[in-house]
Amino acid sequence: DIQMTQSPSSLSASVGDRVTITCRASQAISSYLAWFQQRPGKAPKSLIYAASRLQSGVPPKFSGSGSGTDFTLTIRSLQPEDFATYYCQQYNSYPYTFGQGTKLEIK
Amino acid sequence: QVQLQESGPGLVEPSETLSLTCSVSGDSINTYYWNWIRQPPGKGLEWIGSFSHSGSANYNPSLMSRVTMSVDRSKNQFSLKLTSVSAADTAVYYCARARFDDLWSTYYFDYWGRGTLVTVSS
Repeated sequence: DIQMTQSPSSLSASVGDRVTITCRASQAISSYLAWFQQRPGKAPKSLIYAASRLQSGVPPKFSGSGSGTDFTLTIRSLQPEDFATYYCQQYNSYPYTFGQGTKLEIK
Repeated sequence: QVQLQESGPGLVEPSETLSLTCSVSGDSINTYYWNWIRQPPGKGLEWIGSFSHSGSANYNPSLMSRVTMSVDRSKNQFSLKLTSVSAADTAVYYCARARFDDLWSTYYFDYWGRGTLVTVSS
């Protein structure tokens, strides 16, 4: 199985800040990488697929980059609704696997 | 607007079979791949398996011996059966749609259901 490792596991930031979350795959996955946002008690929401392509309706304050084994999710101009847990997921090969999550908290 | 809704028993006894259904509205169940993902309380996401409208299935090897997925095109629903459950199967179960990416010739998740909590306990 491909292991997905996110860093950091938790992150404190202020409203208006810009933050970056990193996801590393245990082997190359081309650009088959997605990012999801999960607010407490809610279902995950799809943000980005193919490493950098925004899902329909997702604001451009979210951006993704990377290919191969190293990927990043950047969120600019943080708003209260952005404080949530973020997961990366590889869909290069079965079984699909997720990172352990990065909890973004208000400072 | 595409919507997915999970349904099924919230409590299952140990060693019994967990059965869930995902009802799809706003689009046909054809063309896409349909997935089940679960999340134990306070933990991360685990992909259970994927099933296409044409009957092609891929399951997580860690659960493969206990999982069966199917599609009912007449009802626009797909289902999950997990046999011989234990407390370790207690989780919120999500269904999710995967659509085809023309550029990369692969499927990626777009819509998710709200999830349903299944507790395994006697």
